[in-house]
Amino acid sequence: QSALTQPPSASGSPGQSVTISCAGTTSDVGAYNYVSWYQQHPGKAPKLIVYEVTKRPSGVPDRFSGSRSGNTASLTVSGLQAEDEADYYCSSYAGNNNLVFGGGTKLTVL
Amino acid sequence: EVQLVESGGDLVQPGGSLRLSCAASGFTFSSYWIHWVRQAPGKGLVWVSRINSDGSTTSYADSVKGRFTISRDNAKNTLYLQMNSLRAEDMAVYYCARVRGGWYADSWGQGTLVTVSS
Repeated sequence: QSALTQPPSASGSPGQSVTISCAGTTSDVGAYNYVSWYQQHPGKAPKLIVYEVTKRPSGVPDRFSGSRSGNTASLTVSGLQAEDEADYYCSSYAGNNNLVFGGGTKLTVL
Repeated sequence: EVQLVESGGDLVQPGGSLRLSCAASGFTFSSYWIHWVRQAPGKGLVWVSRINSDGSTTSYADSVKGRFTISRDNAKNTLYLQMNSLRAEDMAVYYCARVRGGWYADSWGQGTLVTVSS
């Protein structure tokens, strides 16, 4: 049950795009279409923004998009806005009824 | 509106026990799996445990296996986490979260803080 690997920080200016990676293995990210992404503002509960690799819940802006290549999933935030500044976490089903999260990425809007 | 409200967090000594609760409303509780996820101060999210809709199957992270027990009372729309033999590294905010088919959590509670210290 090793954590997925995310960069600790990412940044971009308003209007720009930023991509956050989430590296896993053939036992988790690469094995199942069960990658999800969460946004967490300070002192708040996490919020689901992408599920099943590429799907967005209703109400989540289409500026947020998910993708995967091999064992690495990615979250792209386009048209950065000030309110996008938050921590972002990926997670993946890891088989044997286990779930694993990434270490989190702090996104700064410059 | 889906609501999950955790309670039971407290200060407990190492080796002690605590039971957390998660009260659900706004949806058919008995139809959904539920996760417990924790977050140590200033750290990331860590999956702890999950239970299926009727409580017949459970799973745990290796770090809590044998010490924590997840259960639910569908008649009371309430989820529980019994935590025994608590360690300093168990100190965290504990969230309950509703699970959808792909193991993702679409609704989260506000969390309850467990402090383990002598």
